[in-house]
Amino acid sequence: GAVVSQHPSWVICKSGTSVKIECRSLDFQATTMFWYRQFPKQSLMLMATSNEGSKATYEQGVEKDKFLINHASLTLSTLTVTSAHPEDSSFYICSARDQFPIAGTSGAGELFFGEGSRLTVL
Amino acid sequence: DQQVKQNSPSLSVQEGRISILNCDYTNSMFDYFLWYKKYPAEGPTFLISISSIKDKNEDGRFTVFLNKSAKHLSLHIVPSQPGDSAVYFCAATHVTDKLIFGTGTRLQVFP
Repeated sequence: GAVVSQHPSWVICKSGTSVKIECRSLDFQATTMFWYRQFPKQSLMLMATSNEGSKATYEQGVEKDKFLINHASLTLSTLTVTSAHPEDSSFYICSARDQFPIAGTSGAGELFFGEGSRLTVL
Repeated sequence: DQQVKQNSPSLSVQEGRISILNCDYTNSMFDYFLWYKKYPAEGPTFLISISSIKDKNEDGRFTVFLNKSAKHLSLHIVPSQPGDSAVYFCAATHVTDKLIFGTGTRLQVFP
């Protein structure tokens, strides 16, 4: 089946540094990828929609200058947490959809999630 | 504003019995609903979905029921197995891929 891979799976950094998380679709092309954030015991919150070749679309309340998203190719999207602070510590998950979903569905059923990246900011 | 709610944070079920996980939503525009299973430190994996034009969808041990008038859906797992122990998220969407997730229910299946 389709696979989405995230790297790194966990990262610890000092406050004020920047961290880059990669999301790759391994066996399909994804024009759109999604970045989610999950706090402990809470829901996955959509942060932004990453569009290949264009600017990302951010959800309300998400600082686009802090969470930089780049979707340089059909198989790679990156999330950079700039000037990270302890409150940015969280579990970040990406998802991607095969650009050719099954006809007759909303397409959401063909969304595949990465393994997640746990960020800890000291 | 939590548009998708899972009011039971946890559920404990004996192996072989039925597990019923519930989910409520408030946005009547949602037309596609999904259930995901998530293990710790891993991304969610898709389980089963249902379109708003249906009221039931079955896949092996998993059945999802949708009650549009009550804005309620449920996931039935029967028979439950220890490997089913995980956190289950329901999610909803309207046409697009922007999933709105519930807060999750931790299912524990004991022998």
